[in-house]
Amino acid sequence: QKEVEQDPGPLSVPEGAIVSLNCTYSNSAFQYFMWYRQYSRKGPELLMYTYSSGNKEDGRFTAQVDKSSKYISLFIRDSQPSDSATYLCAMSGTQGAQKLVFGQGTRLTINP
Amino acid sequence: DGGITQSPKYLFRKEGQNVTLSCEQNLNHDAMYWYRQDPGQGLRLIYYSQIVNDFQKGDIAEGYSVSREKKESFPLTVTSAQKNPTAFYLCASSRDRDLSTDTQYFGPGTRLTVL
Repeated sequence: QKEVEQDPGPLSVPEGAIVSLNCTYSNSAFQYFMWYRQYSRKGPELLMYTYSSGNKEDGRFTAQVDKSSKYISLFIRDSQPSDSATYLCAMSGTQGAQKLVFGQGTRLTINP
Repeated sequence: DGGITQSPKYLFRKEGQNVTLSCEQNLNHDAMYWYRQDPGQGLRLIYYSQIVNDFQKGDIAEGYSVSREKKESFPLTVTSAQKNPTAFYLCASSRDRDLSTDTQYFGPGTRLTVL
């Protein structure tokens, strides 16, 4: 079983829809949770960064962390064609120099 | 303009040849990383370095080598011992040495194709 599971999609929705992207994980030591957006043939760019459980909002994007269920989500409101990309979740623990563990990435297409 | 640069963007090599991928950052970050990305597998850590002249193996270090002689540079060599080197290679850096608390910023990547 992988430490982080993410549905690879592809996910295709109409413009303006609310998008929900999700990851589950098995390591209860994870405390830091990130979402990266990666356009085709480009490097990932950090979108959201949260610590422990709770919600964080930034414009049209909301990140949720539920540590009791080992489940994190990224919501995109009023989705735009420019949101079409692959979204990667990533997470890490707190003890020493632990590395980031990435999900497989979900490919999202927003149709005009 | 601060950032991470990787060169070249596309690289073609014959099987059995060693090849070196460049990664430079002008962010004054302490830590640097190399990842490999394959379709459907996310990012896998090859090597990382928290300080100059020191580096550690990641999850898939076999067939790769690195050096960290300067803070701003972290080149990756893909050797002939790497069984399946064709992939998208990503370099990243982060400000602090504590990998768990500092965010990583990525370069644009190098797509290596071995013929």
